[in-house]
Amino acid sequence: SQKIEQNSEALNIQEGKTATLTCNYTNYSPAYLQWYRQDPGRGPVFLLLIRENEKEKRKERLKVTFDTTLKQSLFHITASQPADSATYLCALDLGNYGQNFVFGPGTRLSVLP
Amino acid sequence: EPEVTQTPSHQVTQMGQEVILRCVPISNHLYFYWYRQILGQKVEFLVSFYNNEISEKSEIFDDQFSVERPDGSNFTLKIRSTKLEDSAMYFCASFRGAQETQYFGPGTRLLVL
Repeated sequence: SQKIEQNSEALNIQEGKTATLTCNYTNYSPAYLQWYRQDPGRGPVFLLLIRENEKEKRKERLKVTFDTTLKQSLFHITASQPADSATYLCALDLGNYGQNFVFGPGTRLSVLP
Repeated sequence: EPEVTQTPSHQVTQMGQEVILRCVPISNHLYFYWYRQILGQKVEFLVSFYNNEISEKSEIFDDQFSVERPDGSNFTLKIRSTKLEDSAMYFCASFRGAQETQYFGPGTRLLVL
């Protein structure tokens, strides 16, 4: 069956450390993968997109990798800050050019001062 | 920066009543979506809409649901006869084209009593 998993429901790290979040999927062949941030009671906010032919993408303190062989994406936040505390979602485009996205369950990150 | 807007922000209704949730997508976007998120659970795809018709829908989007773009700017989700289990946050999103980002609205919190 098709599944998207994110490494853990919750992750606590110390301020200044690097947070690494994992997204694994089975039985999908996404054209690309996206990462979103969601704060409580708010809609998801887009962070980064990585295509199937890209291995790595960076934006400021964020880095995403995408391994289509392992069917895995890693999302890193370096020099984490308490303001980075939120739920992070990965989402796959199911290859229909934006007609159907599937979201993972999310990882709730808490950055402790 | 352009944004997706949704009204109302909260809606309380009695079981069996019809509700209409409204969204104004970003003006030059071509794809429109509805998602729902039951409290504490993941974001679930309901339906995508392109070129004035439904392009994909999930199993959740049964005959009780319908979508419409009545006037070229609004995008609505109608639930004909609400059930208790329809209580959730409903997000609208819009998207310009393939491999671009989706922009989410702030959501409508629907409570069915």
